[in-house]
Amino acid sequence: GQSLEQPSEVTAVEGAIVQINCTYQTSGFYGLSWYQQHDGGAPTFLSYNALDGLEETGRFSSFLSRSDSYGYLLLQELQMKDSASYFCAVRAPEGSSASKIIFGSGTRLSIRP
Amino acid sequence: GAGVSQSPSNKVTEKGKDVELRCDPISGHTALYWYRQRLGQGLEFLIYFQGNSAPDKSGLPSDRFSAERTGESVSTLTIQRTQQEDSAVYLCASSSRDTSSYNSPLHFGNGTRLTVT
Repeated sequence: GQSLEQPSEVTAVEGAIVQINCTYQTSGFYGLSWYQQHDGGAPTFLSYNALDGLEETGRFSSFLSRSDSYGYLLLQELQMKDSASYFCAVRAPEGSSASKIIFGSGTRLSIRP
Repeated sequence: GAGVSQSPSNKVTEKGKDVELRCDPISGHTALYWYRQRLGQGLEFLIYFQGNSAPDKSGLPSDRFSAERTGESVSTLTIQRTQQEDSAVYLCASSSRDTSSYNSPLHFGNGTRLTVT
């Protein structure tokens, strides 16, 4: 089977840096993605890592270590608008399906002034 | 259209009734996914389509749930004999490719909020 684990809640201060971790267990692996979801809104894609290392996109960076089945999302210069839920997701094969995409349970990030 | 469109945005139904949820993906997107999200919870995979075929139906919670896609476009998710535990937001997403080694981000619709009374 496949599973992803991430902390349920994280609190940080405006302007600071926060890291949201994700560990996964899959029978195969084709990359780790991150999505952001504001309350009442639709999830939106943030980043994707297929290879080990750090990917940077503006204030957001994502890291992957395939040997550790671990990744994280790093948010810098936090803004109040970053308050949202963040989900890691894997595209992993299981049986005949190569494109089943499984999401973690999400990390609710709260930013305080 | 510019994005994934889902209808209705809200649906209130009585227990035991059937409901049909609709998803219009981004034009040209070959892969289409359905997820269920209960309040404050994560996204629970239900089913995905590649074209009009559903290679993986393993996430459908019971035989009361079914889905189809036609014309490699519109998809409908049908829930028969609804139960209160079916209350959730049903999210549809589409992506442009179905290649396991390529990043194909999912584009989500705003969902259908289903309430079963």
